[in-house]
Amino acid sequence: AQRVTQPEKLLSVFKGAPVELKCNYSYSGSPELFWYVQYSRQRLQLLLRHISRESIKGFTADLNKGETSFHLKKPFAQEEDSAMYYCAPPNENSGGSNYKLTFGKGTLLTVNP
Amino acid sequence: DAGVTQSPTHLIKTRGQHVTLRCSPISGHKSVSWYQQVLGQGPQFIFQYYEKEERGRGNFPDRFSARQFPNYSSELNVNALLLGDSALYLCASSYQGIGEAFFGQGTRLTVV
Repeated sequence: AQRVTQPEKLLSVFKGAPVELKCNYSYSGSPELFWYVQYSRQRLQLLLRHISRESIKGFTADLNKGETSFHLKKPFAQEEDSAMYYCAPPNENSGGSNYKLTFGKGTLLTVNP
Repeated sequence: DAGVTQSPTHLIKTRGQHVTLRCSPISGHKSVSWYQQVLGQGPQFIFQYYEKEERGRGNFPDRFSARQFPNYSSELNVNALLLGDSALYLCASSYQGIGEAFFGQGTRLTVV
C-alpha cells in the first residue's frame, strides 16, 4: 500500500531562517506529488504540485525519485507561513488522479518572530 | 463562488445511530471525494465520485456509503456509528478529478 512519511510532527524556526519540511513516499510508478497547507481556521488548500514546477509563496519542492522524497523548502521563512503542511501523493491505484490522495500525518510549522 | 460547502458543521450522535453528511461542490465541478481526518492524523480517503458513479473507495467498512446526485452534490452516510468514527469529515471537489482539488471546511462528527 502507498505510504507517506513526514518524520517531523513539529518544526519551529525563526523568521528569516531557511525551512525544510521532509516527505518520503513509497510508490512504484512516477507519481504526481502535492503539498497541501492548512492555515489556522482555514480549509485545507493546495500549496503546490511538483508537475507544475511552480514556486508558491516562496516554497519549492523537488521530486527525488532515487530517494523517493519530495521535501518542501523555503529559503527565508515568514511568520505567515505558520501552518500545518501535508505531503500528498495520489493513491497508487488512482492513475495519478489527485482526488484519491494519500496524506501524511502532517508537520506543524511554527515561525517565530 | 462560495467554494465547497458542507453541512452540518458540527454534529453529535450516539453509538449505533446513523448519520448523513452533505457536500455541495464548486459550480461546474463534477467530481467529489470524501476524507476522514482523525485528530492528529492526515486525511484518509473514503470515497470518490465522478458523474454520479463511484470511482474509488478507501479502506473503510461497509457501514460507510455515499452517493452523488444529478446536481453533483454528494452525501456520505455512516451506519451503526462507533466511537472511533468521531472525526472531521472533509469533502473535496474538482472539475474532472484532474487539476486542483478544493476542500470544504469539514463536518466535525462526535460520537458519544
